[in-house]
Amino acid sequence: SQQGEEDPQALSIQEGENATMNCSYKTSINNLQWYRQNSGRGLVHLILIRSNEREKHSGRLRVTLDTSKKSSSLLITASRAADTASYFCATDGRNTGFQKLVFGTGTRLLVSP
Amino acid sequence: GAVVSQHPSRVICKSGTSVKIECRSLDFQATTMFWYRQFPKQSLMLMATSNEGSKATYEQGVEKDKFLINHASLTLSTLTVTSAHPEDSSFYICSASEGLADTDTQYFGPGTRLTVL
Repeated sequence: SQQGEEDPQALSIQEGENATMNCSYKTSINNLQWYRQNSGRGLVHLILIRSNEREKHSGRLRVTLDTSKKSSSLLITASRAADTASYFCATDGRNTGFQKLVFGTGTRLLVSP
Repeated sequence: GAVVSQHPSRVICKSGTSVKIECRSLDFQATTMFWYRQFPKQSLMLMATSNEGSKATYEQGVEKDKFLINHASLTLSTLTVTSAHPEDSSFYICSASEGLADTDTQYFGPGTRLTVL
């Protein structure tokens, strides 16, 4: 399977704390993206990082990418209860063609008030 | 931002019947649309890619005669699950993209939950 893996599978934290999720993938990539999914809903695009970038910020989100280790991390700072959701990384593989996304297994984040 | 809708949001059907799910891009023209399936507490798995006016490209292991995809216009793609069985029960999500560049964002619909009795 080409599917990437994320860890932890589940993460439970208090409001105000930081949440870090990790993603590992298997093939060479063009880009890596992070998405959020609220329970039973569609996906919301959070951030895209290109293969030649190492770090990217967007608001409270910080994404890093290490292509040598085929891994990425998503950091959410000062978490809020509204951040409770599942988070998925998705890679856009050089071998699979543009725009064909391969999703990781996801991390379920629970932020308690 | 770009909005993608899906209809219906939920559908329950009897085994052996066919179900059609619509995916619409509301405020942009979607060159490419994608269909995914997601089982409970699992990740999304790409089923097929469709480009307007051409046949869909199916992923390995996805039966094209069972999951019929029609991308008739730049704003509408449909997925028909033919002769549905209980194992087809899943959450089906579509996404749409304006262009063909690798950085073109995919906008996801809210999903359709299919339950086959």
